[in-house]
Amino acid sequence: KAGVTQTPRYLIKTRGQQVTLSCSPISGHRSVSWYQQTPGQGLQFLFEYFSETQRNKGNFPGRFSGRQFSNSRSEMNVSTLELGDSALYLCASSSDSAGNTIYFGEGSWLTVV
Amino acid sequence: QKEVEQNSGPLSVPEGAIASLNCTYSDRVSQSFFWYRQYSGKSPELIMSIYSNGDKEDGRFTAQLNKASQYVSLLIRDSQPSDSATYLCAASGNTPLVFGKGTRLSVIA
Repeated sequence: KAGVTQTPRYLIKTRGQQVTLSCSPISGHRSVSWYQQTPGQGLQFLFEYFSETQRNKGNFPGRFSGRQFSNSRSEMNVSTLELGDSALYLCASSSDSAGNTIYFGEGSWLTVV
Repeated sequence: QKEVEQNSGPLSVPEGAIASLNCTYSDRVSQSFFWYRQYSGKSPELIMSIYSNGDKEDGRFTAQLNKASQYVSLLIRDSQPSDSATYLCAASGNTPLVFGKGTRLSVIA
């Protein structure tokens, strides 16, 4: 069974640009959540989707948005990039409706210059 | 503010010893607890989950949960250099997983 797939794996963007990250969950998983990981802040929850609906949202500015498609694939978008957005963005999927047991993808490494 | 606290380490143990990693959580309604292992430059990998008070063993790993003390621990027996990684504790109640910042474990050969 394939794991969580994230694309792109690495990307470099300039301040002010926007970026879209993609995530394909484990087959059959309907819950997808996104986390940002930085050395200083650790893993911070961005948002979670279940059956195309945003179920939970973390404490991030409106520049961070996401969506989920009918096939459970998800995208997250960051607009007006700032240097502080440089991080590892992790997507995780879950089979249970509570979204508790999550499995991470390999992540997308974003560098903002 | 729901928090999960871990000692950042590094925790250094000799090869073959028992490594003990600890975690406390603030939200009393937390019901599910997880340990993830993260190698440098890689994503977190789920290694253990525990939901009830007491011990849960899986190979060389034992997770321990004490809800009264809001305390979770992970014991790694017969530690190997390949166990050197950052270990993340996570807790969940009716909200998404909250992660600690991780404890860096170094197993010295």
